[in-house]
Amino acid sequence: DAGVTQSPTHLIKTRGQHVTLRCSPISGHKSVSWYQQVLGQGPQFIFQYYEKEERGRGNFPDRFSARQFPNYSSELNVNALLLGDSALYLCASSTGLAGGQNEQFFGPGTRLTVL
Amino acid sequence: RKEVEQDPGPFNVPEGATVAFNCTYSNSASQSFFWYRQDCRKEPKLLMSVYSSGNEDGRFTAQLNRASQYISLLIRDSKLSDSATYLCVAMDSSYKLIFGSGTRLLVRP
Repeated sequence: DAGVTQSPTHLIKTRGQHVTLRCSPISGHKSVSWYQQVLGQGPQFIFQYYEKEERGRGNFPDRFSARQFPNYSSELNVNALLLGDSALYLCASSTGLAGGQNEQFFGPGTRLTVL
Repeated sequence: RKEVEQDPGPFNVPEGATVAFNCTYSNSASQSFFWYRQDCRKEPKLLMSVYSSGNEDGRFTAQLNRASQYISLLIRDSKLSDSATYLCVAMDSSYKLIFGSGTRLLVRP
């Protein structure tokens, strides 16, 4: 079985541009979460989607948006890129079901560099 | 104050040593707890979930103390391949993961 997949693996953009990152969860998982990880820090929560509905949003500006598709894949969009948006963007997949530990499994990430 | 706090290390230990990492969390409503392992420039990988009763997986033992809001990870008989950053994680009631900044472990020959 394939794990969580993300594309692209690396991306270089300039300030002010827009970027779209993509994620496909583990087969059977209905929840996708997005995290941003800057060097030397733990990942920071951006969004969570379950059954195509936003279930949570972290403390990120409105330049960040996301959506989940009927096949449970997801996109993260970032507008008007800033230098500080340079980071590893991680997608995590989980069943999303209430109860239980609800472990989240991460994809390999997209490394975004903003110049 | 950070929601999940860890000693950043690095912990530099010889092969075969036992090493313990500790972590505290501030949100008493946190539902679930985990340890993830992250290698340099890679994604975090789930090492183990942490239960109140304590749980063991081979050389790894995790403990949770809800009264003290404290989580621990014990690694016995350290291997060179254990060198990584260990992330302590709390899950809140909305299934959001709150990560610590990580503890770096270096196991030397």
